[in-house]
Amino acid sequence: RKEVEQDPGPFNVPEGATVAFNCTYSNSASQSFFWYRQDCRKEPKLLMSVYSSGNEDGRFTAQLNRASQYISLLIRDSKLSDSATYLCVVNIGKANNLFFGTGTRLTVIP
Amino acid sequence: ETGVTQTPRHLVMGMTNKKSLKCEQHLGHNAMYWYKQSAKKPLELMFVYSLEERVENNSVPSRFSPECPNSSHLFLHLHTLQPEDSALYLCASSPQDGPNQPQHFGDGTRLSIL
Repeated sequence: RKEVEQDPGPFNVPEGATVAFNCTYSNSASQSFFWYRQDCRKEPKLLMSVYSSGNEDGRFTAQLNRASQYISLLIRDSKLSDSATYLCVVNIGKANNLFFGTGTRLTVIP
Repeated sequence: ETGVTQTPRHLVMGMTNKKSLKCEQHLGHNAMYWYKQSAKKPLELMFVYSLEERVENNSVPSRFSPECPNSSHLFLHLHTLQPEDSALYLCASSPQDGPNQPQHFGDGTRLSIL
């Protein structure tokens, strides 16, 4: 079983749509959870950390379900600039040994 | 400006060459990392340095040799690489080596082995 699993997509959605991505992780002792975005041929950039109580940053909402070892990202009112690959990231073992999912590709269509 | 600068951006080398990748961070962070990203595969953590001390070597072959002379600089020395080592090599830094420390990435070095 992979440490971090994501649906690779692609997700093609119209502008203004709401889209949700899911991610599962294998290690119940994981403590750090993040969503990163990566544009084509660019470096990953932190989108948001994910906290146990759930957190929101503008149009983006992240949720963590420790019991199910499941993380989600919700994007509301999608913009063309949201087109990217979204990476689910979890620490495995030592605190800052981060494992990345393969990413979910999102394309927002005009 | 990402705060983490990597050079060179692109590198083509033969299997017998020796080269080095350089990473510099201007964020005042204490931890630095090397990752490998191959096509259609997730990022793979290679090495972790905290306060210039290597704290993790993720079963990386010895043909990759990291060096961290100070908390702002990180090198990856390459020698006798194999074609399967062709990939994007990303450097990252974080304030500390601990939980809930988001990592900031450089642009990466795209390496091709002939």
